[in-house]
Amino acid sequence: ETGVTQSPTHLIKTRGQQVTLRCSSQSGHNTVSWYQQALGQGPQFIFQYYREEENGRGNFPPRFSGLQFPNYSSELNVNALELDDSALYLCASSTDRRNTEAFFGQGTRLTVV
Amino acid sequence: SQKIEQNSEALNIQEGKTATLTCNYTNYSPAYLQWYRQDPGRGPVFLLLIRENEKEKRKERLKVTFDTTLKQSLFHITASQPADSATYLCALEGMDSSYKLIFGSGTRLLVRP
Repeated sequence: ETGVTQSPTHLIKTRGQQVTLRCSSQSGHNTVSWYQQALGQGPQFIFQYYREEENGRGNFPPRFSGLQFPNYSSELNVNALELDDSALYLCASSTDRRNTEAFFGQGTRLTVV
Repeated sequence: SQKIEQNSEALNIQEGKTATLTCNYTNYSPAYLQWYRQDPGRGPVFLLLIRENEKEKRKERLKVTFDTTLKQSLFHITASQPADSATYLCALEGMDSSYKLIFGSGTRLLVRP
C-alpha cells in the first residue's frame, strides 16, 4: 500500500451535478497531483498543488478545480458534470514537485449518467 | 507537442521468459523517465526511475534502459511470473514548467503459467 487514500472509491452522478473527490497524501508529502484516466488510456494530468498553491495545470476546463489543505490532504471539485467526465480519478503525492516517484491512491471511479 | 508511445497490443509470454516492453517518445528530451505498474481498477505503482545520464538501471528482476539518441526506453522483466501480469506505464516529466507527468497508454503483459 502507498499510504495515499482516496474517497469515495465509486460514485455515480447525474449530468450537470457537482462532485468533490478527496485524497489523503502520504505522510511527509507536500505535493499532490490529480489525474484523470479513461478506460484503456494512461492517466492525464489535471493539476498539481504544492504547499496549498496550484503549481501547474493540464488541459482541463475551469470547472475542474482543487484545494490542498495545511495537512496536505486535497480535494478535486468538478462542476457541471458531463458524460465524458466518467473516468478513474487518481491522486498522487510526492516529496518533490517534479514527481520523481509519485505515490498513487487507488482512485475514485466516477460514472456520470 | 510531446508524444509517448507504448505498444497497445498485449504482450503474451510464457512463465520464466523475459518480457520486454517498449516506450518511445518524440519532441522532447526528458531529464528522466519512469515506469509504473497498474493492476485493473487500481492506481499505478512506481517501479523505477532512470535519468538521462544513466544507460541502465536494475531492481531485482527488473531492468530499464534509456537511449536518449533513439528516444526510447526498454523495460525488461526477467524470469517472468504470472503475478507480473499487469499493465505497465511509462511516464515522462512535462516539457513545460507545469511539473506534470505525461503517461503513455500502457502495455498489458500477460504471463501464462
